[in-house]
Amino acid sequence: DIVMTQSPDSLAVSLGERATINCKSSQSVLYSSNNRNYLAWYQEKPGQPPKLLIHWASTRESGVPDRFSGSGSGTDFTLTISSLQAEDVAVYYCQHYYSAPFTFGQGTKVEIK
Amino acid sequence: EVQLLESGGGLVQPGGSLRLSCAASGFAFSYSAMNWVRQTPGKGLEWVSMICDSRGDTYYADSVKGRFTVSRDSSKNTLYLQMNSLRGEDTAIYYCARPNGGNCNSAYSHWGQGALVTVSS
Repeated sequence: DIVMTQSPDSLAVSLGERATINCKSSQSVLYSSNNRNYLAWYQEKPGQPPKLLIHWASTRESGVPDRFSGSGSGTDFTLTISSLQAEDVAVYYCQHYYSAPFTFGQGTKVEIK
Repeated sequence: EVQLLESGGGLVQPGGSLRLSCAASGFAFSYSAMNWVRQTPGKGLEWVSMICDSRGDTYYADSVKGRFTVSRDSSKNTLYLQMNSLRGEDTAIYYCARPNGGNCNSAYSHWGQGALVTVSS
């Protein structure tokens, strides 16, 4: 099974500053036949279901603000919030969908400093 | 518009059983992969199970294998999760989720509101 490890577990960032979350998979989630990374990022707020932000490692879901971006390939990935807004306070998860079981990272809690 | 609505959650004793349902609408349910994901305060999000397209291939997390069974009734556009031999660590909010395009290996673009399952004596 592929293990997903996020860092840090939590971070506090000032409004308008950059937030960076890392995700590492225990094996590559890059499928060589189509050169796609099977990696997604989700945002979870209290009392709400998770919301898909990024898929294929770097493709922003429709309607997601462009301050959210994803990068990386193979086993190392990053979610960046370029200018943190108050509404971005949440827990963020990476997930691979390369092969079942489709494991999530442990989550990163983002707060305002 | 894709809509997913879970039901069937509740309080159950350890060792007991419960069946969750997820009523789906707004897409071709019988041809779509569907997943169950659970959320616990202590462990975050955990992928539980998937039924993959019309063939009905099923997959499970090791933590529920042999105890949980995912199935679908395409005539009712409903996804099920039969949960047996329940344990305290199964206490969670259970979400059904549909991947982008209904593909087995895609990210989850649509989620239900969740059903709370509490396992306690």
